[in-house]
Amino acid sequence: QVQLQESGPRLVKPSGTLSLNCALSGGSISGSNWWTWVRQPPGKGLEWIGEIYHSGQTNYNPSLSSRVTISVDKSKNHFSLKVNSVTAADTAVYFCGSAGYYDVWSGLLHDAVNVWGQGTEVTVSS
Amino acid sequence: EIVLTQSPGTLSLSPGERATLSCRASQSIDSRYLAWYQQKPGQAPRFLIFGASSRATGIPDRFSGSGSGTDFTLTISRLEPEDFAVYYCQQYGKSPRTFGPGTKVEIK
Repeated sequence: QVQLQESGPRLVKPSGTLSLNCALSGGSISGSNWWTWVRQPPGKGLEWIGEIYHSGQTNYNPSLSSRVTISVDKSKNHFSLKVNSVTAADTAVYFCGSAGYYDVWSGLLHDAVNVWGQGTEVTVSS
Repeated sequence: EIVLTQSPGTLSLSPGERATLSCRASQSIDSRYLAWYQQKPGQAPRFLIFGASSRATGIPDRFSGSGSGTDFTLTISRLEPEDFAVYYCQQYGKSPRTFGPGTKVEIK
């Protein structure tokens, strides 16, 4: 069973860079999954940030794409998120996830986030 | 970008009652690419439904999904105490893979 664990600084200064890693256990980063980042500001809903495939192909939310980079490190079996030029609006719980649910009945792979990390709270403050 | 709208914002029901949650898309979605998640306070979301109507492994059969085009529904046939939570729909057919704003199911 794939498990994911986020790690990184919990406090980031305004205008700085938020950097998080997501470590994968029980599976390979080279599997047929989209490795995903989602965030949730305090008291609000879920916001899809973006995703990466093991090939390096990425998709980003246009609202964040100018500031976000997602990368994968196959040697460490983890993937990462960087958000530049952060403000208080970037304060949130950040979740990493694996999108790739195989439906045995249809044989289709569904890119819904079927495995989630526990989330890590990041605060942007001086 | 596909915008998802969920209604109602809050649903106040008693255990044993039926819950009907709506998710509406700003444009037609291939129903193969609509998911539902459950989230409880302080926890990560839990994957419930994929392909609009198929339950993920281990999800009780009191949860069912339906719909097509722009209108989708999550139904909880008889609410158990552990079902009181926030529910999100997500379309994953097109990037960005957007979430709805959520429906909170609270105890009446």
